Parts: sequence; structure tokens; C-alpha cells
Amino acid sequence: AQTVTQSQPEMSVQEAETVTLSCTYDTSESNYYLFWYKQPPSRQMILVIRQEAYKQQNATENRFSVNFQKAAKSFSLKISDSQLGDTAMYFCAFMKRGSQGNLIFGKGTKLSVKP
Amino acid sequence: DGGITQSPKYLFRKEGQNVTLSCEQNLNHDAMYWYRQDPGQGLRLIYYSQIVNDFQKGDIAEGYSVSREKKESFPLTVTSAQKNPTAFYLCASKIMVNTEAFFGQGTRLTVV
Repeated sequence: AQTVTQSQPEMSVQEAETVTLSCTYDTSESNYYLFWYKQPPSRQMILVIRQEAYKQQNATENRFSVNFQKAAKSFSLKISDSQLGDTAMYFCAFMKRGSQGNLIFGKGTKLSVKP
Repeated sequence: DGGITQSPKYLFRKEGQNVTLSCEQNLNHDAMYWYRQDPGQGLRLIYYSQIVNDFQKGDIAEGYSVSREKKESFPLTVTSAQKNPTAFYLCASKIMVNTEAFFGQGTRLTVV
């Protein structure tokens, strides 16, 4: 069975600075996807970024980028130039390719961006 | 606008009652999912459906039931058999299984 671990329950960062959220996962699969979702106080889950395991290049979306280390089973999220609107819970999720599309989530990291 | 609509936003249930949470999508997505979120926990899968009139149990299906009579709709019933139903419930959909999930805004269920 796959598991996803987020070892930082809470983090804080000053506005305009950079922060990195950690995620590790355990799987014997070779084909899979990894995601970071953001859950702001409104509680709607919003996709931040997606990475296919077969791609060596790290995914980037504007101020958000990942450091995907497949051998180490690590998938960290870097947020550059943090903004107050980045304050949210961040969830790392794993999905096996060819499965029923089920996402396996970590327990989340609560990020607070301070002015 | 296309999206996923969950209703109601807040729901209160008395002990021993069944209650149904609504999830409707107009994205023409085939796959739909129900997740439960508890404080300090990630999301856990309750049920999912890839096509109309077919659905499968997730990791925590006990005490829940679903139906998928229409592509757009995937209601979740929380039955009296669910011992600890107070939680936040999220519905999601995907156009295909190997794509990202889009989520509704959730329903907060409280047992009173």
C-alpha cells in the first residue's frame, strides 16, 4: 500500500520570502503521479502543481515549483515570493497510474504567510 | 460556469437519522469521488464511480452509501450505521482517471 508523509504540521514564512514544504511517499510502483493541493480557509481544494513520475524535469507553475527526487521518494514544494493569499493547508497526494484514479493524501502542512 | 457543486454547505443530523449530501458536476467528467476530511488528517476515500450505474468502495465505506444514476450526480448518504459522521465531506471529479481531480466546496456535517 502507498503512504504519503508530510512531516511538517505547521510552517510560517514572511511575505516575499521563499518556503519549502516537504513530502515523502512510499510505493513499489514505477508509474505514478504526484500532486500538491492547496486548501485555503474557504476549504475548497485547489490543484497547485502536478508531476508525472516518468518525467525527470521538475514541474513549475509560476511561483510554485517542486523538487522531485524519485529514488529518494521525495516531492517537496517550493513557494517563491510568498504572498498573504498563500496562507492555507497544503496537501501532498499520490496517484498510481492505471489505478481507479484514487488519490492518497498526506495529513497536510498548515502554512501561514506573515506580513 | 463549469464546476462541481456540493450542497448544503452545512448540515446537521440527529442521532439515528440518515442524511444525503449532494454533489453535482457540469464538467462532463466520467469519474467522481467522495472523500472525508477530519481535523489533522488528510482526505480519505469513501466511494468512487467511474461510470454511470457503477461504483466501488473506498477505504472507509462502512456506514455510507452512494448512487450514480446520472453522469452529473453522485449523492452520498450517511447512514445511522456510521458511528462518527461529524466531518467535512468533499466531492471530486475527473475527466479521466489519470488526470487531476477537481473538488467541490465541501459539506460540513455535524451530528447533534
